[in-house]
Amino acid sequence: GNSVTQMEGPVTLSEEAFLTINCTYTATGYPSLFWYVQYPGEGLQLLLKATKADDKGSNKGFEATYRKETTSFHLEKGSVQVSDSAVYFCALDSNYQLIWGAGTKLIIKP
Amino acid sequence: EADIYQTPRYLVIGTGKKITLECSQTMGHDKMYWYQQDPGMELHLIHYSYGVNSTEKGDLSSESTVSRIRTEHFPLTLESARPSHTSQYLCASSADRDRGRKLFFGSGTQLSVL
Repeated sequence: GNSVTQMEGPVTLSEEAFLTINCTYTATGYPSLFWYVQYPGEGLQLLLKATKADDKGSNKGFEATYRKETTSFHLEKGSVQVSDSAVYFCALDSNYQLIWGAGTKLIIKP
Repeated sequence: EADIYQTPRYLVIGTGKKITLECSQTMGHDKMYWYQQDPGMELHLIHYSYGVNSTEKGDLSSESTVSRIRTEHFPLTLESARPSHTSQYLCASSADRDRGRKLFFGSGTQLSVL
């Protein structure tokens, strides 16, 4: 069946460091891929998405490219800020629902 | 911004009590979902609805029930709460009919059953 595997957290970085959070998936067909973010005390919100191979989603300085050859959708940001501290979820669209990764907690230290 | 609301935000209750978690959205979305999430863990779909009078169970076995009498309202009920029900419950809605599904989430209800 379809599944999503994310890098285990927590990931702790210093401010202005480069960020990569790995996400790989297993799926039949061509699902859409998503990154959602959950800030402390808030609900989840969509960060970015890509609907087909080689698409690049981007938002708030974050980017992720849909790589079908490596079945990956890694999240990257060139220079993180303390305000980026949150839990990040990778997900794929499978028929009637989203399949979620386990989430990766990101901690950014000043 | 998302217009989806969950109440209560926090609930502490004794074993055996009946509880209803409320979820309402003002966006006119047809699809609504309930997820269960333990702290820092993945989301598990427990119920979903494609519209009024439509409800389905998700992948995670749950002793809860839902109803969808109105488009904007999707309450979740536990007839007899147990400590194993302690978790965070997230409600979401979606209107996308094409690829690229975007879910709007409420802030969640943190349930503790003593």
